[in-house]
Amino acid sequence: GQNIDQPTEMTATEGAIVQINCTYQTSGFNGLFWYQQHAGEAPTFLSYNVLDGLEEKGRFSSFLSRSKGYSYLLLKELQMKDSASYLCAAIDSNYQLIWGAGTKLIIKP
Amino acid sequence: DTAVSQTPKYLVTQMGNDKSIKCEQNLGHDTMYWYKQDSKKFLKIMFSYNNKELIINETVPNRFSPKSPDKAHLNLHINSLELGDSAVYFCASSPGQGETDTQYFGPGTRLTVL
Repeated sequence: GQNIDQPTEMTATEGAIVQINCTYQTSGFNGLFWYQQHAGEAPTFLSYNVLDGLEEKGRFSSFLSRSKGYSYLLLKELQMKDSASYLCAAIDSNYQLIWGAGTKLIIKP
Repeated sequence: DTAVSQTPKYLVTQMGNDKSIKCEQNLGHDTMYWYKQDSKKFLKIMFSYNNKELIINETVPNRFSPKSPDKAHLNLHINSLELGDSAVYFCASSPGQGETDTQYFGPGTRLTVL
C-alpha cells in the first residue's frame, strides 16, 4: 500500500531551528509537496521537490532523497506565527497526491 | 480578491438531507479538486476535474457528485447525508492538468451532520 509517515507533533522554541521529517512509500514517484496549515484554515503551498537535494526559500528549506524515500522541511529562526500543521504529500506514478496526516508544530517563547 | 472561494463556510444539517457546496476560482486554472479532511486531519482527494476529464476516487460514495457549470466553478452535491460525512471539505485548483502543479486551496467548508 501507499503510505506517508511524519511525526504527529513537535515542539520548538522561538528563534530556534526545527526539522520535520517525512518518509513515503508510493507506487512510483513524481515529486513531493510541503504545505502549511494553520488551525481552521486552508493548506498553503510551501515547496515542491522532485530532484534530490536541498531547496532553500527564505527561512524554509526542503530536502529530498528519492533513494531513501525521505524528505524533510527545515524551519530556521522560528517565529510564533510558524505554529501550524505541516503536511507532506507525495505524488505517485498515476499523479495522485498521497497526503500525510500532518505534523503539528508548537512554538514556545 | 479571493483566489479560491467556497460557500458556505459552515453548514449544519440533518441526516438524510441533500446539500451543495459551491467553489469558484478566479485564477484561470484548468483543474479543480475536492478534498475531505476528517478529524484525524488526513486530506483525502475526492475528485479532480478539468475541461476534459473527471477523475473520481473510487472510494467516494456515489452520494457525492461534482457539478461544473464552467471552468471556474466546481460544486459538490451530496445526497442523503450521513453522520460520517461530517468533515471539512476543501476545494482547490491548479494551473494545469498534472498533480505536480501547485494546488491553491479554498478556505474550507465545515459540514456538520446531526
